[in-house]
Amino acid sequence: EIVLTQSPATLSLSPGDRATLSCRASQSVGIYLAWYQQSPGQAPRLLIYDASNRATGIPARFSGSGSGTDFTLTISSLEPEDFAVYYCQQRNNWPPAYTFGQGTKLEIK
Amino acid sequence: QVQLVQSGAEVKKPGASLKVSCKASTDIFTIYGLSWVRQARGQGPEWMGWVSGQNGKTTFAQKFQGRLTVTTDTSTRTAYMELRSLRSDDTAVYYCASGYNRDAFDMWGQGTMVTVSS
Repeated sequence: EIVLTQSPATLSLSPGDRATLSCRASQSVGIYLAWYQQSPGQAPRLLIYDASNRATGIPARFSGSGSGTDFTLTISSLEPEDFAVYYCQQRNNWPPAYTFGQGTKLEIK
Repeated sequence: QVQLVQSGAEVKKPGASLKVSCKASTDIFTIYGLSWVRQARGQGPEWMGWVSGQNGKTTFAQKFQGRLTVTTDTSTRTAYMELRSLRSDDTAVYYCASGYNRDAFDMWGQGTMVTVSS
């Protein structure tokens, strides 16, 4: 099973700051890496798929990069609604197996 | 707008079985299938298993092998997740997830809260 390790566990920033979140896979996942945002009491919301493609309706301040084992989610200028928990997720093989990272909490400084 | 609507909250005793349903408003899970994901309080999501909406083929996370069954009924656009031999650490919100993307989940059910307690 592929393990995803996210860092940092918590990131304290202010509105307007740039946020950089990391996700490392225990083995190569190619580009099959997605990012989600989750607010309290809500289901995860897809932000980025295939490492760098924004999902429908996702603002341009969210961008993803990376391939293989190292991936980054960048939020260029934080808005108040961006303070939430972020998860990465990978797909391996077809028929698929998926795993999620343990999350990064983005909190207001 | 495509929706996934799950069955309601459940309270179960240890050792019991759980069955949760997920009804789609379109044939969405015939495209790339449907997964079940659970999330315990304060924890990250945990992928449990996947079912094809085309041929019923399934895959499971290793920890759920032998205890989890996932099925679909394409005539009613409904997917089912059955988890047996429940334990207290199965207490979580259970989600169905699918969508138009093979590699990620762009559509989620509203979640079903499951409590396992004696």
